[in-house]
Amino acid sequence: KQEVTQIPAALSVPEGENLVLNCSFTDSAIYNLQWFRQDPGKGLTSLLLIQSSQREQTSGRLNASLDKSSGRSTLYIAASQPGDSATYLCAVEGTNAGKSTFGDGTTLTVKP
Amino acid sequence: EAGVTQSPTHLIKTRGQQATLRCSPISGHTSVYWYQQALGLGLQFLLWYDEGEERNRGNFPPRFSGRQFPNYSSELNVNALELEDSALYLCASSLWDRGADTQYFGPGTRLTVL
Repeated sequence: KQEVTQIPAALSVPEGENLVLNCSFTDSAIYNLQWFRQDPGKGLTSLLLIQSSQREQTSGRLNASLDKSSGRSTLYIAASQPGDSATYLCAVEGTNAGKSTFGDGTTLTVKP
Repeated sequence: EAGVTQSPTHLIKTRGQQATLRCSPISGHTSVYWYQQALGLGLQFLLWYDEGEERNRGNFPPRFSGRQFPNYSSELNVNALELEDSALYLCASSLWDRGADTQYFGPGTRLTVL
């Protein structure tokens, strides 16, 4: 059974700092890993999707890497801004087609 | 382009009643996914529909069911509601492509069971 863990559960940083969020998964037989952000009480916004054959994806100030063999992914946020404050979730889709397993998320607070 | 829409935004029911939640995917998307986000339990996969068929379901009892219509919209039905069914129910859609399909989420339906 796939398990996804995100560390830390919460993170508070001053504006402008670069930061890294971590995601680990127990079964390396995955088809993709996706990073989302969720604002309080709202739906999820897709940030980046990394297919199993890829090592990283970039979008603006965000960079996500994937190391399947070690069961890890990191989301790097450069020059953080207060608007980045949200809960960040990672999800992996494994061999069970269509079923994504989510981590519990990291709640990020960026202080002005 | 319109995103994924869900209705209603909020739904209040009492124990034992039935709830029906609706989802309209992004135009052109054939897959719809349903998730439950209960307090303290994280996001749990419920159901996946593609091309009108149920393709996969998570570890939920049979009283959670749904369907997908010919226009790819979907509804989730929860029968015999229990207090622990109170949660945010999220719908997502994608253009199914094994390993490469980005899921786009709707704003959710907040179900409260009294």
